[in-house]
Amino acid sequence: AQRVTQPEKLLSVFKGAPVELKCNYSYSGSPELFWYVQYSRQRLQLLLRHISRESIKGFTADLNKGETSFHLKKPFAQEEDSAMYYCALSGGQGGSEKLVFGKGTKLTVNP
Amino acid sequence: NAGVMQNPRHLVRRRGQEARLRCSPMKGHSHVYWYRQLPEEGLKFMVYLQKENIIDESGMPKERFSAEFPKEGPSILRIQQVVRGDSAAYFCASSSQGAKTTEAFFGQGTRLTVV
Repeated sequence: AQRVTQPEKLLSVFKGAPVELKCNYSYSGSPELFWYVQYSRQRLQLLLRHISRESIKGFTADLNKGETSFHLKKPFAQEEDSAMYYCALSGGQGGSEKLVFGKGTKLTVNP
Repeated sequence: NAGVMQNPRHLVRRRGQEARLRCSPMKGHSHVYWYRQLPEEGLKFMVYLQKENIIDESGMPKERFSAEFPKEGPSILRIQQVVRGDSAAYFCASSSQGAKTTEAFFGQGTRLTVV
């Protein structure tokens, strides 16, 4: 079964501190992993995807197939990073197009 | 490009009534997805459509729920004989190809309240 687990419902850090949002997944195959973000009063939007291997707004995420994890990291958090973050997967090559989401982590960056 | 447009933003229905939720995808997008979000939960996949075709409806409840994406006009998610448990936020997303290939863009959602 496809499942995405985000163990932290809430995460609070101070500005300038490192931040890591955890994501673990369950999938029998090679999924594609994504991080979506929803800022206050805005729509859900793609932050990054593992196949692009890029850093967006200072965030990076590495797919660890051994640990089935795709944690989102940023070395120095900013106040504008405060938002809801959702980890998601889809079925990879030949697999389903649908996105399976975790329950989300609300990140608050305090001044 | 106005992005994915959903209407209405808020919908109140009495138990037993029908709810119709509309989604206009971004220009040039022929793939549409519907998701439901219950309070304190993540987004749950409901259905994936391409123009005039249902590709994957594995997340749709077996009864009372239906979806369409006609050749012309918006995609419609229809809930017949609504019950209190249908109260949720319903999100639509669209993409130019499948969501694992190209970015899926989300609408702002329709918040359905059943009283």
